[in-house]
Amino acid sequence: GQNIDQPTEMTATEGAIVQINCTYQTSGFNGLFWYQQHAGEAPTFLSYNVLDGLEEKGRFSSFLSRSKGYSYLLLKELQMKDSASYLCAVLDSNYQLIWGAGTKLIIKP
Amino acid sequence: GAVVSQHPSRVICKSGTSVKIECRSLDFQATTMFWYRQFPKQSLMLMATSNEGSKATYEQGVEKDKFLINHASLTLSTLTVTSAHPEDSSFYICSARLAGDSYEQYFGPGTRLTVT
Repeated sequence: GQNIDQPTEMTATEGAIVQINCTYQTSGFNGLFWYQQHAGEAPTFLSYNVLDGLEEKGRFSSFLSRSKGYSYLLLKELQMKDSASYLCAVLDSNYQLIWGAGTKLIIKP
Repeated sequence: GAVVSQHPSRVICKSGTSVKIECRSLDFQATTMFWYRQFPKQSLMLMATSNEGSKATYEQGVEKDKFLINHASLTLSTLTVTSAHPEDSSFYICSARLAGDSYEQYFGPGTRLTVT
């Protein structure tokens, strides 16, 4: 079966750095997405990785290792507005998005 | 960036009635649109994939006669929840995919449905 694992909840301090991990087992791989979702709102796109390595975009970076079935989202200089759920999703061999359950990130002052 | 609108944002209806939710891609043509539902503190659950001009493909366990999807044009898809029940109360989100090679999905703001 297809499976995506990410921690249910994480807590971090304002101004700090946090890494949210995602491991996956899917039928085929055509890329991995990270989305941010604030409570009661729709997800918004953060990043897309299809090749191994680190993609940096401002305070957010995303890393992928296809051989390990592993990705992480790195958030630097955390702000209170970063409190949200972060969803990992993999595009499988049928180009269908398989979603993780999301990681709720709580930022404390 | 690509913008997707959804209407209404919130709706309350009585059991047994039907509710229609619209999803529009405002500044691009979407050959494929997706409908998701999300329960509190849970991830997105894909209900169906909708391709313009053809019948929607429903995920296992989703009743196609209850959740009617119409993708009449490249910019509009509708989801009609027929004979709604309280257990249909949920957050419904649509997304659209650009025509071409990109597989990024652009999400609408969601519709909060409450069935009383």
